[in-house]
Amino acid sequence: NAGVTQTPKFQVLKTGQSMTLQCAQDMNHNSMYWYRQDPGMGLRLIYYSASEGTTDKGEVPNGYNVSRLNKREFSLRLESAAPSQTSVYFCASSEVGGGNQPQHFGDGTRLSIL
Amino acid sequence: AQTVTQSQPEMSVQEAETVTLSCTYDTSESDYYLFWYKQPPSRQMILVIRQEAYKQQNATENRFSVNFQKAAKSFSLKISDSQLGDAAMYFCASPDTCLAGNTPLVFGKGTRLSVIA
Repeated sequence: NAGVTQTPKFQVLKTGQSMTLQCAQDMNHNSMYWYRQDPGMGLRLIYYSASEGTTDKGEVPNGYNVSRLNKREFSLRLESAAPSQTSVYFCASSEVGGGNQPQHFGDGTRLSIL
Repeated sequence: AQTVTQSQPEMSVQEAETVTLSCTYDTSESDYYLFWYKQPPSRQMILVIRQEAYKQQNATENRFSVNFQKAAKSFSLKISDSQLGDAAMYFCASPDTCLAGNTPLVFGKGTRLSVIA
């Protein structure tokens, strides 16, 4: 099983450029999440989707938008990239929300904003 | 967001010895799960173990076990017979009850574990 697939794995952008990070899961999970990981900060939640058709802000949503395209796919968009958004981004999914289910993670996207 | 605190940014252990990684949390839920994840240099996030808060018995997965103290909101991870492959960043996670609707996990800042041969 592929699990959670993120594309791309690496990306370099210039300040002001836009891009979309893609995430797809094949486990028929209802809930999906986007995190960013910065040195010394752990993982911080950007946005999440408890179920298809719903999205909610997490701890650090500013500068990002998301789309839950269908049950499988949850994309993260940077409309105007800033150097502060240089980070490693992880997508995750879980069978249901509620914090009672383990989250399954993709391999991450390393994004650098110059 | 709720807070998960890992007070040890770095730890080291001799191969075959035992090490304990600390974690405290502050969820207000009465029934919840707690998780430990491992992140090796490959960057993958791997579930190590989970604990159901309403269960008295501490969870165990092979060489990994937890010491769960609900009243103290403490959830430490013990690794026995440490192996070189255990070297990684370890994250503790608990439900974030500050967010609306379903409660995603909130993660601690991690403990980097080194294993010395």
